[in-house]
Amino acid sequence: QVHLEESGGDSVQPGGSLRLSCVASGFTFSSFTLHWVRLAPGRGLEQVAAIRSDGVGTHYADAVHGRFVISRDNSEKTLHLHMTSLRLEDTGVYFCTRVYDGGNSFLFWGGGTVVTVS
Amino acid sequence: QSALTQPASVSGSPGQSITIPCTGSRSDVGFYNLVSWYQVFPGQSPKLLVFEGNRRPPGASPRFSQSKSGNTASLTISGLRTEDEAEYFCCSYAGDVAYLFGSGTKVTVL
Repeated sequence: QVHLEESGGDSVQPGGSLRLSCVASGFTFSSFTLHWVRLAPGRGLEQVAAIRSDGVGTHYADAVHGRFVISRDNSEKTLHLHMTSLRLEDTGVYFCTRVYDGGNSFLFWGGGTVVTVS
Repeated sequence: QSALTQPASVSGSPGQSITIPCTGSRSDVGFYNLVSWYQVFPGQSPKLLVFEGNRRPPGASPRFSQSKSGNTASLTISGLRTEDEAEYFCCSYAGDVAYLFGSGTKVTVL
C-alpha cells in the first residue's frame, strides 16, 4: 500500500535553513504530482508546494515563494523541500501528501515532520 | 491565495446534526466541483472524509456528507458522536496543481 515517510524536521533559529525529505513506497512514484502541506498552530492547513511527476512543473504558496524549493528524485522515490530564510510563521508539522489515482483530493498522507522556528 | 473561510468553532449535542460552511470564491469553490474535507486529531495526520460531491474513501463514515451552493461548500456531520471532536478543514482545487485549504473549524460535542 501507499506509504509516505517524512524526515528532516528540527528546531532552527529565524533565518536558518532546513531540508525535509519524504521517502515513498507502494506506488509508481514517477507518475504522481506530490505536495508538501503544513499544519501550523493557529493557522491551519496550507499547501506549501507541489511538483509535477516530471519534476519540471512546480507551485509554491505566496508565503514561501522565493524561500522554499521543492524537488524530487524519481530514481530514489524521494521528495524534498529545501527551506531557507525560515521565519517564525514557518513553524508547524510538514506533511508529504498525494491525491488518489486520477483525482484531486489528498487521500495519502505521511506522518509528518515537525519544524520549529524560534 | 487566500485561505477558504470557515467558522473557528461549531458545537452540538450527541445525536444532533451540525453543518460547517466553507466559503471561497468564483475561482476555486465556485468554479470547480472539487471540494474535499479532512478531519484532524491532535498529533495525527489529516484524514480524508468526503470529496468531489459525496464520494467517500474506503472506511469513511456515511455520517459525513457535503453540499455546495455557489462559492460555499458545507460539511454536515449527522448523528454527532463524542469521537467526532476534532478539527475539520475544507480544501478546494484551485487550478494547475494548486489547492486552497480552509481556516479550520474545531467541533465540540457538548
